[in-house]
Amino acid sequence: AQSVTQLGSHVSVSEGALVLLRCNYSSSVPPYLFWYVQYPNQGLQLLLKYTSAATLVKGINGFEAEFKKSETSFHLTKPSAHMSDAAEYFCAVSDQGSSNTGKLIFGQGTTLQVKP
Amino acid sequence: DTGVSQNPRHKITKRGQNVTFRCDPISEHNRLYWYRQTLGQGPEFLTYFQNEAQLEKSRLLSDRFSAERPKGSFSTLEIQRTEQGDSAMYLCASSLVSGYEQYFGPGTRLTVT
Repeated sequence: AQSVTQLGSHVSVSEGALVLLRCNYSSSVPPYLFWYVQYPNQGLQLLLKYTSAATLVKGINGFEAEFKKSETSFHLTKPSAHMSDAAEYFCAVSDQGSSNTGKLIFGQGTTLQVKP
Repeated sequence: DTGVSQNPRHKITKRGQNVTFRCDPISEHNRLYWYRQTLGQGPEFLTYFQNEAQLEKSRLLSDRFSAERPKGSFSTLEIQRTEQGDSAMYLCASSLVSGYEQYFGPGTRLTVT
């Protein structure tokens, strides 16, 4: 069975500082991995995806993530935080096993706080 | 392409009442997913459709829940005899069969009093 663990339910950074949100996955097949962002009372917006191509994936709003198979990790980074980055971030793995449903299995989420 | 839409955005109902939510996916997307998200948690898969066929239902989906996608277009999720534990955000997402990313609607927030 596939699963995702997000380390740290809350992360606080200063504006302009590096953002690092951690995600580790478990999958019996090569995983497809995603990061989504959710603003209060809204749906989820796709930031970036990994689908077995380049291991360093660039997304929207200056975010990027690196797939590391040896560490089963897919951490999200941004060089310089903006106040508008404050939100909830979810890492997810897609069910691409024999059933190939494509359903997403989400982590618990990480709340990013950006301090002025 | 207007994205995925969901109606209503908010629903307050009394325990024991029935409620129905609607999701309109991106028009060319064959797959449609329903998720439930409770406060402070990540979304959890409920069910999905490929065109009009409902192909998988989670064990989270009790007999009080039913979903349909007539003609492979919009979908409805009905909850019968609502309970306070049903209070959550219900999210709909759609994707291409051959694609991997899912696009989410704004969600319907259900409050059962």
